[in-house]
Amino acid sequence: EAQVTQNPRYLITVTGKKLTVTCSQNMNHEYMSWYRQDPGLGLRQIYYSMNVEVTDKGDVPEGYKVSRKEKRNFPLILESPSPNQTSLYFCATFGTDTEAFFGQGTRLTVV
Amino acid sequence: AQSVTQLGSHVSVSEGALVLLRCNYSSSVPPYLFWYVQYPNQGLQLLLKYTSAATLVKGINGFEAEFKKSETSFHLTKPSAHMSDAAEYFCAVRTTCRRALTFGSGTRLQVQP
Repeated sequence: EAQVTQNPRYLITVTGKKLTVTCSQNMNHEYMSWYRQDPGLGLRQIYYSMNVEVTDKGDVPEGYKVSRKEKRNFPLILESPSPNQTSLYFCATFGTDTEAFFGQGTRLTVV
Repeated sequence: AQSVTQLGSHVSVSEGALVLLRCNYSSSVPPYLFWYVQYPNQGLQLLLKYTSAATLVKGINGFEAEFKKSETSFHLTKPSAHMSDAAEYFCAVRTTCRRALTFGSGTRLQVQP
């Protein structure tokens, strides 16, 4: 079964404490992306990766890092989280077809 | 650059009534267009997609959408609303040269009994 798996699903953390949200896909897709969802703003792209070791900024990259050392994994790193990064995060992967596949989401709260 | 506008952040209909959720897009190249649905505390599920084949696209759960190039629209409809349709709906556009999806701000659909 085609899957995009994010962990954790829920996370509460304190300002400044580094955290990583993992994303893994089993579809052998080259393209992966991170989005954040905020009320009234829809989903906005944070970073994307066209392939291993190739990453680039999306529309809202400030305060985030990513890495793509293997094709299946695309972790999102918050080096020093702040309350304005409280949001719902989605990982997505795209194949050669037009459709995107999304993870179940990670709800992050930074206090 | 591509963009999506969804008119109406909240839409309320009665059970059995027509559902119409509006989406307009802008794109300098032929677009791919999508509607996604998000139920509470869940991820995004693809409802339907337009990829330059038939302009009337049928999706899951009785939804359909019509691509109108002259109006740059891709409105989502369903003839008869069901309580289980209550969710948030997102329109998204992707161009042939970029795989990133650009989303609208979403429309929350309420279905009244």
